[in-house]
Amino acid sequence: LQLVQSGAEVKKPGESLTISCKGSGYRFSTDFTNYWIAWVRQMPGKGLEWMGVIYPADSDTRYSPSFQGRVTISADKSITTAYLQWSSLEASDTAIYYCARGEGAFDFWGQGTLVTVSS
Amino acid sequence: IVMTQSPATLSLSPGERATLSCRASQSVSSNLAWYQQKPGQAPRLLISGAFTRATGTPARFSGSGSGTEFTLTITSLQSEDFAVYYCQHYNNWPPLTFGGGTKVEIK
Repeated sequence: LQLVQSGAEVKKPGESLTISCKGSGYRFSTDFTNYWIAWVRQMPGKGLEWMGVIYPADSDTRYSPSFQGRVTISADKSITTAYLQWSSLEASDTAIYYCARGEGAFDFWGQGTLVTVSS
Repeated sequence: IVMTQSPATLSLSPGERATLSCRASQSVSSNLAWYQQKPGQAPRLLISGAFTRATGTPARFSGSGSGTEFTLTITSLQSEDFAVYYCQHYNNWPPLTFGGGTKVEIK
């Protein structure tokens, strides 16, 4: 299984953005849809922060209190892809964002998407 | 639940033993994972369930502990082991939280 994330983005404050995480290389789509997909933020030179998770099979979504209302997590199980969306970016959203698959412990990670927000 | 890792930085020589600590602010049972992250790379799962090595994790890595106190031990540091290590709880998750990380650097 591989999680392939969309490419780096450069945006201005106030702009919207959606980044993606696509599962590939699996034998069965349930290797993606029947596990939780988490999004994790890593700000420059900092540690890992859990943002939220989604269960693609039924789109059950849970957010960290720190990110609730600031981002939207979604998934399209038919194309084994999860998404992370912002409606209005801020400079403080500059970070690498990782998706990861698991059931608490996360065993497969995407390569990361660098998001740069600058005027 | 707050996860606290110590020390922040560990300076050791190849071949030495590394002992990394992770403390939870309340019991997380054995629902504890360890990850390794090298510069420019995504994190990699090393250990789950406090002591179960993930596929491909060398035997020199071992995890121990339960409740609130956990340890990751690397018995003989290899050059490829110099990296940042994170603990993460997943007890009654979500939510879940990561520790702040321990950087293992070459002395």
